[in-house]
Amino acid sequence: AQKVTQAQTEISVVEKEDVTLDCVYETRDTTYYLFWYKQPPSGELVFLIRRNSFDEQNEISGRYSWNFQKSTSSFNFTITASQVVDSAVYFCALSTDIQGAQKLVFGQGTRLTINP
Amino acid sequence: NAGVTQTPKFQVLKTGQSMTLQCAQDMNHEYMSWYRQDPGMGLRLIHYSVGAGITDQGEVPNGYNVSRSTTEDFPLRLLSAAPSQTSVYFCASSYSPGQGYNEQFFGPGTRLTVL
Repeated sequence: AQKVTQAQTEISVVEKEDVTLDCVYETRDTTYYLFWYKQPPSGELVFLIRRNSFDEQNEISGRYSWNFQKSTSSFNFTITASQVVDSAVYFCALSTDIQGAQKLVFGQGTRLTINP
Repeated sequence: NAGVTQTPKFQVLKTGQSMTLQCAQDMNHEYMSWYRQDPGMGLRLIHYSVGAGITDQGEVPNGYNVSRSTTEDFPLRLLSAAPSQTSVYFCASSYSPGQGYNEQFFGPGTRLTVL
């Protein structure tokens, strides 16, 4: 069975601090996909990143970066110089469907609050 | 492109009532899914479809029915609503293999309360 664990239920930091959201996953499949989604207070789900199991390169997109480590089954998300607009619930998700994104297993989510 | 649309945005039902949550997409996606979001549990897959006429169960299918008669529409039916079905429901769609990046596009959600 597949499982995603986001152990941090809530995180609160002051603006401009760096913050890392942890994600640990479990799967026996060798081919899988990992995702991060953002859910702002307005409620919609915003896609942030997709990574497949064969690509362990870390990725940086502006203030966002992702650290994928197969050895520890982790796919952590770091926001550098956080801003109030980063306040949201963040979900990590796993898909083992070989077609890429059909059946997502989500973590419980981490509520991130950035205080001014 | 409207993307993925869901109606209604909000709904209040009484126990035992039935209703259909509508989902439509205009991106010609073959894959469509329904998830429910409950506090502290993330999103869980209810049902999904790999194309018109083909559906299958997800993690929490009990109490819900789906059908897929067209590529565009994927309605979710609650036959006899129960308070345990109070949740936020999200519909999603994605490309099939060979058509590009398999990101799931989510609708805006339907907030359902069952009294």
